[in-house]
Amino acid sequence: DGGITQSPKYLFRKEGQNVTLSCEQNLNHDAMYWYRQDPGQGLRLIYYSQIVNDFQKGDIAEGYSVSREKKESFPLTVTSAQKNPTAFYLCASSIDSGGMGNQPQHFGDGTRLSIL
Amino acid sequence: SQQGEEDPQALSIQEGENATMNCSYKTSINNLQWYRQNSGRGLVHLILIRSNEREKHSGRLRVTLDTSKKSSSLLITASRAADTASYFCALGNTGRRALTFGSGTRLQVQP
Repeated sequence: DGGITQSPKYLFRKEGQNVTLSCEQNLNHDAMYWYRQDPGQGLRLIYYSQIVNDFQKGDIAEGYSVSREKKESFPLTVTSAQKNPTAFYLCASSIDSGGMGNQPQHFGDGTRLSIL
Repeated sequence: SQQGEEDPQALSIQEGENATMNCSYKTSINNLQWYRQNSGRGLVHLILIRSNEREKHSGRLRVTLDTSKKSSSLLITASRAADTASYFCALGNTGRRALTFGSGTRLQVQP
């Protein structure tokens, strides 16, 4: 079955530590996204990528970094500069990067990040 | 705000009843999408309605869009306990290269 796999499901970060969240898709989608969701809130866009080796900042990129070396993979690093990283992180993908704002997105099941 | 605003924030109904949730927005859009999120899970795409469409159906779901009022509604008919989830509207606009999500309506369907 095609889909998006996020790992790990739960992650704990120590002060001053960088952590990396994995996102892999086998849907052959061009575009991939990272969102942050705080309790009882909607989704806020962190980064997105239209194509391999290209990515753009979203609304809340500070303290985060990404890479897109392969079409299937879009890992997110939460750096020590992100002072309030506790949240639910969702990765998504969509077809047709030419009109990303118009395409349905497919989501993984998220990674819950907490501070130790 | 560029995001949609859902109303109500929370809704509790009995199984078999209809559930209606609304989304209002302020920007121009190319399409509006509805998603469902079960607790602790990712979002699932339900339906997409384009700006030149007024109504779409998918199974027990009915979505309307009124671009003059900048609002959309999602109707779930004959609700089931399994419909318990949060529902989000998302705005699609080619001027912005990603969807913009609202804060959601939490639906509780009592068996």
